[in-house]
Amino acid sequence: EAGVTQFPSHSVIEKGQTVTLRCDPISGHDNLYWYRRVMGKEIKFLLHFVKESKQDESGMPNNRFLAERTGGTYSTLKVQPAELEDSGVYFCASSQDNTQTEEQYFGPGTRLTVT
Amino acid sequence: GENVEQHPSTLSVQEGDSAVIKCTYSDSASNYFPWYKQELGKRPQLIIDIRSNVGEKKDQRIAVTLNKTAKHFSLHITETQPEDSAVYFCAASPNSGYALNFGKGTSLLVTP
Repeated sequence: EAGVTQFPSHSVIEKGQTVTLRCDPISGHDNLYWYRRVMGKEIKFLLHFVKESKQDESGMPNNRFLAERTGGTYSTLKVQPAELEDSGVYFCASSQDNTQTEEQYFGPGTRLTVT
Repeated sequence: GENVEQHPSTLSVQEGDSAVIKCTYSDSASNYFPWYKQELGKRPQLIIDIRSNVGEKKDQRIAVTLNKTAKHFSLHITETQPEDSAVYFCAASPNSGYALNFGKGTSLLVTP
């Protein structure tokens, strides 16, 4: 089966601009997660969708970040306006359901550089 | 919230030696502890996980141990091979369906 895909793979934008990242989860996976890794630090949780609903958005850093998952399929993460500290690798992951056995499958990530 | 500490940050071993990576966590409610491997330029992939009702789990050359009383868990790789070179992340979560709290990663280098 196709894995989690993310677009773009790289994005370089200037401070103050807007960027939208896209994630396509594995088909049939209700759970979709966004994570971010800032250089040299841990992978940090941003938010979790169950279908189209936000289950947990406790990791969203501030209101410059907006995540959507209309229709419960793909998700977008918009950063507006971007700041220097937003640079990092943004990962998306998906899992089928919230059972004891479900692995979170990660996408390849989008490397965002804000200059 | 949960805080996961991971050590060492870098580890270099010779091919055939064993490698051990250790993690501690703070939230006693954590019950699910996966380990992910990220090779250069690739996505993180789950290599092994353990749940709180199990003390040890093994899969070929890799094993994970869990001590819930001390709140620490470890990854053991035996007979290391150059293809084991990667960044390894530990994580903790109340359950597999919830947000994962990751450690900072360990960069493992296996030299021939």
